[in-house]
Amino acid sequence: NAGVTQTPKFRVLKTGQSMTLLCAQDMNHEYMYWYRQDPGMGLRLIHYSVGEGTTAKGEVPDGYNVSRLKKQNFLLGLESAAPSQTSVYFCASSPPDRVYGYTFGSGTRLTVV
Amino acid sequence: GEDVEQSLFLSVREGDSSVINCTYTDSSSTYLYWYKQEPGAGLQLLTYIFSNMDMKQDQRLTVLLNKKDKHLSLRIADTQTGDSAIYFCAEKEGDNQGGKLIFGQGTELSVKP
Repeated sequence: NAGVTQTPKFRVLKTGQSMTLLCAQDMNHEYMYWYRQDPGMGLRLIHYSVGEGTTAKGEVPDGYNVSRLKKQNFLLGLESAAPSQTSVYFCASSPPDRVYGYTFGSGTRLTVV
Repeated sequence: GEDVEQSLFLSVREGDSSVINCTYTDSSSTYLYWYKQEPGAGLQLLTYIFSNMDMKQDQRLTVLLNKKDKHLSLRIADTQTGDSAIYFCAEKEGDNQGGKLIFGQGTELSVKP
């Protein structure tokens, strides 16, 4: 039972490069989320999805795009990376039942130089 | 918008009790959560409390909720060095599609032997 798997775990990008972070969950959860974690700022929601084929903006969506073509996968794209996007990115999923919190992946540490 | 606030650091001696505090702004929050993040890892759900409860106890963990003051606390009894981690408080927005959680900045708990 893998839960939520994020790939890659680490990446270094040059400014202006693009990349895609992959999140996969095997729990048949409807909802999926991308957060970024920065020191002293907690977790901030980038984008989220309430089901296959749907996405919505969170608190800090600028510079990122997402896609949810399959229920189990949620992709986060950076089209032109900037140093301000250096962060740790976490994916999470949850069922629609209100009581449950999230199941988190182990994170992707991204450095943009 | 909704906001969740926590102090950033707490240091205790092994065997003492730890109390981590959190304040939130959304009076319509339905569930409130405590997550634990160990170094280099994702967040793990520790416990949650429904907004119509005042207290919840789970082994060494006690959660207290003062809904009038919008104040949540996590008490860890007999704190051990393995409890050293970052603890996040989170609220689930009361009226939102997508079950979004709003996280505090995280409290780094340091347990000294």
